[in-house]
Amino acid sequence: DADVTQTPRNRITKTGKRIMLECSQTKGHDRMYWYRQDPGLGLRLIYYSFDVKDINKGEISDGYSVSRQAQAKFSLSLESAIPNQTALYFCATSRRGDTQYFGPGTRLTVL
Amino acid sequence: QKEVEQNSGPLSVPEGAIASLNCTYSDRGSQSFFWYRQYSGKSPELIMSIYSNGDKEDGRFTAQLNKASQYVSLLIRDSQPSDSATYLCAVRKGNDYKLSFGAGTTVTVRA
Repeated sequence: DADVTQTPRNRITKTGKRIMLECSQTKGHDRMYWYRQDPGLGLRLIYYSFDVKDINKGEISDGYSVSRQAQAKFSLSLESAIPNQTALYFCATSRRGDTQYFGPGTRLTVL
Repeated sequence: QKEVEQNSGPLSVPEGAIASLNCTYSDRGSQSFFWYRQYSGKSPELIMSIYSNGDKEDGRFTAQLNKASQYVSLLIRDSQPSDSATYLCAVRKGNDYKLSFGAGTTVTVRA
Protein backbone atom coordinates (compact mmCIF):
# COMPACT_ATOMS: atom_id res chain seq x y z
CA ASP A 1 0.00 0.00 0.00
CA ALA A 2 1.15 3.52 -0.78
CA ASP A 3 2.41 5.56 2.17
CA VAL A 4 0.75 8.78 0.99
CA THR A 5 -2.58 8.55 -0.82
CA GLN A 6 -4.67 11.22 -2.47
CA THR A 7 -8.30 11.11 -3.52
CA PRO A 8 -9.61 11.67 -6.06
CA ARG A 9 -6.82 11.14 -8.59
CA ASN A 10 -8.65 13.03 -11.30
CA ARG A 11 -11.52 15.46 -11.03
CA ILE A 12 -13.37 17.63 -13.50
CA THR A 13 -15.67 20.23 -12.02
CA LYS A 14 -17.44 23.43 -12.98
CA THR A 15 -16.80 27.01 -12.02
CA GLY A 16 -18.36 27.89 -8.67
CA LYS A 17 -18.49 24.36 -7.31
CA ARG A 18 -17.02 23.43 -3.95
CA ILE A 19 -14.51 20.65 -4.10
CA MET A 20 -12.42 18.80 -1.54
CA LEU A 21 -9.17 16.96 -2.12
CA GLU A 22 -8.12 14.47 0.51
CA CYS A 23 -4.74 13.23 1.63
CA SER A 24 -3.97 10.35 3.96
CA GLN A 25 -0.64 8.98 5.13
CA THR A 26 0.59 5.92 6.96
CA LYS A 27 4.15 7.15 7.41
CA GLY A 28 3.53 8.50 10.91
CA HIS A 29 4.79 11.95 9.90
CA ASP A 30 3.59 14.96 11.82
CA ARG A 31 4.02 17.49 9.01
CA MET A 32 1.78 17.68 5.95
CA TYR A 33 1.70 20.01 2.96
CA TRP A 34 -0.43 20.91 -0.04
CA TYR A 35 1.17 22.09 -3.29
CA ARG A 36 -0.05 22.92 -6.73
CA GLN A 37 2.03 22.50 -9.85
CA ASP A 38 1.56 24.41 -13.06
CA PRO A 39 3.70 24.08 -16.20
CA GLY A 40 6.75 26.33 -15.98
CA LEU A 41 5.97 27.46 -12.43
CA GLY A 42 7.15 24.50 -10.44
CA LEU A 43 5.66 23.52 -7.11
CA ARG A 44 3.97 26.24 -5.11
CA LEU A 45 2.99 25.78 -1.49
CA ILE A 46 -0.68 26.37 -0.67
CA TYR A 47 -0.89 25.40 3.03
CA TYR A 48 1.19 23.44 5.48
CA SER A 49 0.65 21.93 8.90
CA PHE A 50 3.37 21.00 11.38
CA ASP A 51 0.90 19.23 13.65
CA VAL A 52 -2.85 18.86 14.08
CA LYS A 53 -3.21 22.25 15.79
CA ASP A 54 -0.71 24.14 13.66
CA ILE A 55 -1.84 25.23 10.18
CA ASN A 56 -0.10 27.87 8.12
CA LYS A 57 -0.66 29.65 4.85
CA GLY A 58 1.82 29.12 2.06
CA GLU A 59 2.61 31.25 -0.99
CA ILE A 60 -0.78 30.98 -2.70
CA SER A 61 -3.50 30.30 -0.13
CA ASP A 62 -6.16 32.64 -1.55
CA GLY A 63 -9.19 30.67 -2.71
CA TYR A 64 -8.20 27.59 -0.70
CA SER A 65 -8.82 26.30 2.80
CA VAL A 66 -7.57 23.23 4.67
CA SER A 67 -8.54 20.95 7.50
CA ARG A 68 -6.22 18.70 9.51
CA GLN A 69 -8.67 16.12 10.79
CA ALA A 70 -6.03 13.90 12.36
CA GLN A 71 -2.29 13.43 12.23
CA ALA A 72 -2.76 11.21 9.20
CA LYS A 73 -5.32 13.28 7.27
CA PHE A 74 -5.08 16.69 5.62
CA SER A 75 -7.78 17.98 3.29
CA LEU A 76 -7.72 20.85 0.83
CA SER A 77 -10.92 22.64 -0.16
CA LEU A 78 -11.72 24.98 -2.99
CA GLU A 79 -14.77 26.87 -1.78
CA SER A 80 -15.77 28.17 -5.19
CA ALA A 81 -13.61 26.71 -7.93
CA ILE A 82 -12.41 28.91 -10.79
CA PRO A 83 -10.68 27.91 -14.05
CA ASN A 84 -7.24 29.20 -13.01
CA GLN A 85 -7.26 26.63 -10.22
CA THR A 86 -6.87 23.97 -12.88
CA ALA A 87 -3.60 22.29 -11.93
CA LEU A 88 -1.91 19.20 -10.56
CA TYR A 89 -2.19 19.10 -6.77
CA PHE A 90 0.23 17.24 -4.54
CA CYS A 91 0.12 16.37 -0.89
CA ALA A 92 3.41 15.77 0.91
CA THR A 93 4.48 14.66 4.36
CA SER A 94 7.65 14.88 6.42
CA ARG A 95 9.19 14.57 9.83
CA ARG A 96 10.97 17.56 11.34
CA GLY A 97 14.39 17.87 9.76
CA ASP A 98 13.63 15.29 7.08
CA THR A 99 12.75 15.68 3.44
CA GLN A 100 9.26 15.56 2.05
CA TYR A 101 7.53 12.57 0.52
CA PHE A 102 4.86 13.20 -2.08
CA GLY A 103 1.55 11.57 -2.82
CA PRO A 104 0.60 10.55 -6.37
CA GLY A 105 -1.20 13.81 -7.14
CA THR A 106 -4.69 14.91 -8.12
CA ARG A 107 -5.31 16.33 -11.56
CA LEU A 108 -8.04 18.95 -11.20
CA THR A 109 -9.79 20.60 -14.12
CA VAL A 110 -12.19 23.48 -13.56
CA LEU A 111 -14.38 24.25 -16.55
CA GLN B 1 14.28 37.53 -7.45
CA LYS B 2 13.08 33.96 -7.18
CA GLU B 3 14.20 32.02 -4.13
CA VAL B 4 15.42 29.10 -6.21
CA GLU B 5 16.33 29.34 -9.87
CA GLN B 6 17.04 26.64 -12.42
CA ASN B 7 17.49 26.63 -16.17
CA SER B 8 14.25 25.25 -17.55
CA GLY B 9 15.94 23.39 -20.38
CA PRO B 10 15.29 21.19 -22.12
CA LEU B 11 18.74 19.75 -21.64
CA SER B 12 19.41 17.13 -24.27
CA VAL B 13 22.29 14.71 -23.76
CA PRO B 14 23.33 11.56 -25.62
CA GLU B 15 23.10 8.24 -23.86
CA GLY B 16 26.21 7.57 -21.81
CA ALA B 17 27.14 11.24 -21.44
CA ILE B 18 27.16 13.39 -18.30
CA ALA B 19 24.16 15.62 -17.66
CA SER B 20 24.94 18.70 -15.57
CA LEU B 21 22.14 20.60 -13.86
CA ASN B 22 22.54 23.82 -11.93
CA CYS B 23 20.52 25.57 -9.27
CA THR B 24 21.06 28.90 -7.49
CA TYR B 25 19.32 30.16 -4.38
CA SER B 26 18.89 33.59 -2.87
CA ASP B 27 18.75 33.00 0.91
CA ARG B 28 22.24 32.71 2.42
CA GLY B 29 20.71 31.12 5.52
CA SER B 30 19.68 28.02 3.57
CA GLN B 31 20.94 24.84 5.17
CA SER B 32 19.45 21.85 3.37
CA PHE B 33 19.40 21.11 -0.33
CA PHE B 34 17.56 18.45 -2.26
CA TRP B 35 17.20 17.14 -5.77
CA TYR B 36 13.94 15.54 -6.83
CA ARG B 37 13.20 13.70 -10.06
CA GLN B 38 9.75 13.94 -11.58
CA TYR B 39 8.54 11.91 -14.51
CA SER B 40 5.77 13.43 -16.59
CA GLY B 41 2.44 13.23 -14.77
CA LYS B 42 4.01 11.62 -11.70
CA SER B 43 4.95 12.87 -8.27
CA PRO B 44 8.44 14.14 -7.36
CA GLU B 45 10.75 11.58 -5.79
CA LEU B 46 13.86 12.40 -3.79
CA ILE B 47 17.13 11.35 -5.39
CA MET B 48 19.76 13.32 -3.47
CA SER B 49 20.12 15.47 -0.39
CA ILE B 50 23.19 17.50 0.59
CA TYR B 51 23.91 19.63 3.62
CA SER B 52 27.63 20.45 3.56
CA ASN B 53 29.89 22.11 1.02
CA GLY B 54 31.50 19.71 -1.40
CA ASP B 55 30.43 16.67 -3.35
CA LYS B 56 28.14 13.83 -2.42
CA GLU B 57 27.94 10.77 -4.63
CA ASP B 58 25.19 8.16 -4.84
CA GLY B 59 25.52 5.73 -7.69
CA ARG B 60 25.47 7.64 -10.97
CA PHE B 61 24.38 10.85 -9.24
CA THR B 62 26.68 13.47 -7.70
CA ALA B 63 25.40 16.54 -5.90
CA GLN B 64 27.73 19.49 -5.44
CA LEU B 65 27.16 22.33 -2.99
CA ASN B 66 28.91 25.68 -2.78
CA LYS B 67 27.31 27.83 -0.10
CA ALA B 68 29.62 30.79 -0.67
CA SER B 69 28.46 31.03 -4.27
CA GLN B 70 24.93 29.94 -3.38
CA TYR B 71 24.64 27.19 -5.91
CA VAL B 72 23.98 23.49 -5.92
CA SER B 73 24.41 21.22 -8.90
CA LEU B 74 23.55 17.68 -9.91
CA LEU B 75 25.62 15.53 -12.22
CA ILE B 76 24.18 12.43 -13.82
CA ARG B 77 26.93 10.16 -15.15
CA ASP B 78 26.40 7.55 -17.85
CA SER B 79 23.00 9.04 -18.64
CA GLN B 80 20.30 6.55 -19.57
CA PRO B 81 16.98 7.07 -21.39
CA SER B 82 15.28 6.32 -18.06
CA ASP B 83 16.89 9.50 -16.68
CA SER B 84 14.69 11.57 -18.99
CA ALA B 85 12.59 13.57 -16.53
CA THR B 86 12.29 16.97 -14.90
CA TYR B 87 14.70 17.58 -12.03
CA LEU B 88 13.59 19.86 -9.24
CA CYS B 89 15.99 21.65 -6.93
CA ALA B 90 14.64 22.36 -3.44
CA VAL B 91 16.15 24.42 -0.64
CA ARG B 92 15.27 24.76 3.05
CA LYS B 93 16.45 27.35 5.54
CA GLY B 94 16.12 25.21 8.64
CA ASN B 95 14.15 22.36 10.15
CA ASP B 96 11.12 24.52 10.83
CA TYR B 97 11.00 26.18 7.49
CA LYS B 98 9.29 25.16 4.29
CA LEU B 99 10.97 23.81 1.19
CA SER B 100 11.36 26.25 -1.69
CA PHE B 101 11.36 24.64 -5.12
CA GLY B 102 12.82 25.71 -8.40
CA ALA B 103 10.71 25.39 -11.54
CA GLY B 104 12.73 22.39 -12.68
CA THR B 105 15.07 21.44 -15.52
CA THR B 106 13.80 18.99 -18.12
CA VAL B 107 16.38 16.45 -19.22
CA THR B 108 16.09 14.35 -22.35
CA VAL B 109 18.54 11.51 -22.89
CA ARG B 110 18.65 10.52 -26.54
CA ALA B 111 19.63 7.03 -27.56
